Amino acid sequence: GDSVTQMEGPVTLSEEAFLTINCTYTATGYPSLFWYVQYPGEGLQLLLKATKADDKGSNKGFEATYRKETTSFHLEKGSVQVSDSAVYFCALSDQGNNRLAFGKGNQVVVIP
Amino acid sequence: GAVVSQHPSRVICKSGTSVKIECRSLDFQATTMFWYRQFPKKSLMLMATSNEGSKATYEQGVEKDKFLINHASLTLSTLTVTSAHPEDSSFYICSARSGIPYNEQFFGPGTRLTVL
Repeated sequence: GDSVTQMEGPVTLSEEAFLTINCTYTATGYPSLFWYVQYPGEGLQLLLKATKADDKGSNKGFEATYRKETTSFHLEKGSVQVSDSAVYFCALSDQGNNRLAFGKGNQVVVIP
Repeated sequence: GAVVSQHPSRVICKSGTSVKIECRSLDFQATTMFWYRQFPKKSLMLMATSNEGSKATYEQGVEKDKFLINHASLTLSTLTVTSAHPEDSSFYICSARSGIPYNEQFFGPGTRLTVL
């Protein structure tokens, strides 16, 4: 079935550093791809999405490009802030049924 | 964006009792609601999909008689964990899918269930 793999382990970095979180997927069709963010004590929020190959999703300084050839959707931000500390989930959705498959999530901690 | 609430946010119960968790879409009508379970350091696992007025569709391996889902209205879905056991302790998250213009899933803040 469809699945999403995120890089292992938490990510700790200093303020203004460059952030990359890797995400690869396996899908039989042409899924939509998403990044969700979960701030402490809150529900998941959609950060950005891309619905077809080569699309770039962007929001709040974060970007991710839908790469069909490498089945990847890596999340990047050029200069992180302490307020970016959260858990980030990569997900995909079969366009037919909207069911989401999530990666395991990455805890990001930004140190002042 | 749209808001989804869950109640309670945290519940502790004794083994053998039943627990009901509510999921509400506060400012939109949700044609479909989803229930997820999140284990520590694990991804969210989809348990079931419910459409208003019809029976829920459960994912493989999820016991429908244990996890009862009711979607009685376009703004409310409930998950009842029947005869709870310690292994049911987990974080349960719901999401609600709206139609146009959003057509995306909005997530509740989750409910922490601890079964003693």
